[in-house]
Amino acid sequence: GAGVSQSPSNKVTEKGKDVELRCDPISGHTALYWYRQSLGQGLEFLIYFQGNSAPDKSGLPSDRFSAERTGGSVSTLTIQRTQQEDSAVYLCASSYVRDTRYGYTFGSGTRLTVV
Amino acid sequence: AQSVTQPDIHITVSEGASLELRCNYSYGATPYLFWYVQSPGQGLQLLLKYFSGDTLVQGIKGFEAEFKRSQSSFNLRKPSVHWSDAAEYFCAVGNSGYSTLTFGKGTMLLVSP
Repeated sequence: GAGVSQSPSNKVTEKGKDVELRCDPISGHTALYWYRQSLGQGLEFLIYFQGNSAPDKSGLPSDRFSAERTGGSVSTLTIQRTQQEDSAVYLCASSYVRDTRYGYTFGSGTRLTVV
Repeated sequence: AQSVTQPDIHITVSEGASLELRCNYSYGATPYLFWYVQSPGQGLQLLLKYFSGDTLVQGIKGFEAEFKRSQSSFNLRKPSVHWSDAAEYFCAVGNSGYSTLTFGKGTMLLVSP
């Protein structure tokens, strides 16, 4: 597609429920990144994909968080047994290759609210 | 490990006045530096980037930034701010090669009439 698409744009869930957040990167972009943006905390790196593999998942905050990418395209971030501290905006970004010089193209994010 | 500091959480500038947003980075070698802007409810948009060459880089929307190795800084400037520039601005750093960008906590720019 023309840009990075994320869905849903907003998600309200009850504490303890599981949620899935979707990212559809720009066609042909092999690198995909997930970040979390909490109020006053800036952007926190979660996980990086190159193709379908995740060489760097060092930012996932707990084992309740997981992500996968299929067909070198769409990625899903899953949060199990959601907690209130998971409330944040989850941003997805992609780049043509994993070369820092290119920078990233970001989606508009999914705002997750855990009540 | 690389890190980024944006010392100003909020800045208010009068419309038409000049702007400078500060960014300091920590990284041993030559960094790759970026400025992004985020409008409310939107994702981040790349304003400009530096990874080699001329230390003064021009970006979109009339923004520029200067890389100063001696000060470990990459400050963002604009000579005349417009009300539409009100947004949150993020500085980011990567290392030379294949790395993940590290972002600062952002500076919220408010533009007064």
